Amino acid sequence: GENVEQHPSTLSVQEGDSAVIKCTYSDSASNYFPWYKQELGKRPQLIIDIRSNVGEKKDQRIAVTLNKTAKHFSLHITETQPEDSAVYFCAATAGEAGANSKLTFGKGITLSVRP
Amino acid sequence: NAGVTQTPKFQVLKTGQSMTLQCAQDMNHNSMYWYRQDPGMGLRLIYYSASEGTTDKGEVPNGYNVSRLNKREFSLRLESAAPSQTSVYFCASSLRGQKEKLFFGSGTQLSVL
Repeated sequence: GENVEQHPSTLSVQEGDSAVIKCTYSDSASNYFPWYKQELGKRPQLIIDIRSNVGEKKDQRIAVTLNKTAKHFSLHITETQPEDSAVYFCAATAGEAGANSKLTFGKGITLSVRP
Repeated sequence: NAGVTQTPKFQVLKTGQSMTLQCAQDMNHNSMYWYRQDPGMGLRLIYYSASEGTTDKGEVPNGYNVSRLNKREFSLRLESAAPSQTSVYFCASSLRGQKEKLFFGSGTQLSVL
C-alpha cells in the first residue's frame, strides 16, 4: 500500500518568512496529493491540492509543487502569519475519480510562526 | 447547512463498556469515513462507506464496527472499549467523483479508562 512520510515533524519560522513542508510517497501510481490544515482543537480542512498532471499550483500565499520522478511534493507558505500556525497533513491516493480511492495521510507537521 | 455533524464531542468510558459515535452529513455526499487521530500517528482510516449500503475496512478496523444507516448517517461502534482506543475520532464525507476531497466533522475526544 501507499506510505506517506513528512519531514520535518516540527517547523518554527519567524513571522514574514517562508515555510516549506515536504512529503514523500511510495506508490508511483498515486495521482492526487492534497494538503490539510488543522488548527489546535479544530477539524482538518483541505487548503490546496495537486494532481499528477500538474507540476505546481498556487493559491495566494500557498503553493504546492510535485516531483513525480522523485516521488515527493512540498507545501510552500510565503509571508507567514501567526494564523498559519497549525498541523499540516499531506496525503496521497492512486484512486481515479469515481473509484473507491482512499487517502493515505502523513503523520503531520506542526508549524509554529513566531511573532 | 451544517456540513458534517458528530456526537458526542467528549466521552469517557470504562474498559469493557460499549458506545456508538454518531455522524451525519447534509451535503448529499455519497462516501463517508471514520478516522482516528493519535499524537504522532496522523489520521488513520478505521472504516469507510463508499455509498449507502456498503462498508469496508480501513487501516485500523479491529475493535470497531460501523453502520451506514442511510445516505446521511454513518455510525461507529465500540463493542468493548479498550484503553488503546483512547483517541480523537473524526467522521468525514466526500462527494462522488471527488472522493479525495474530505469534509471533516469537529471530532469526538474519547478516553477509555
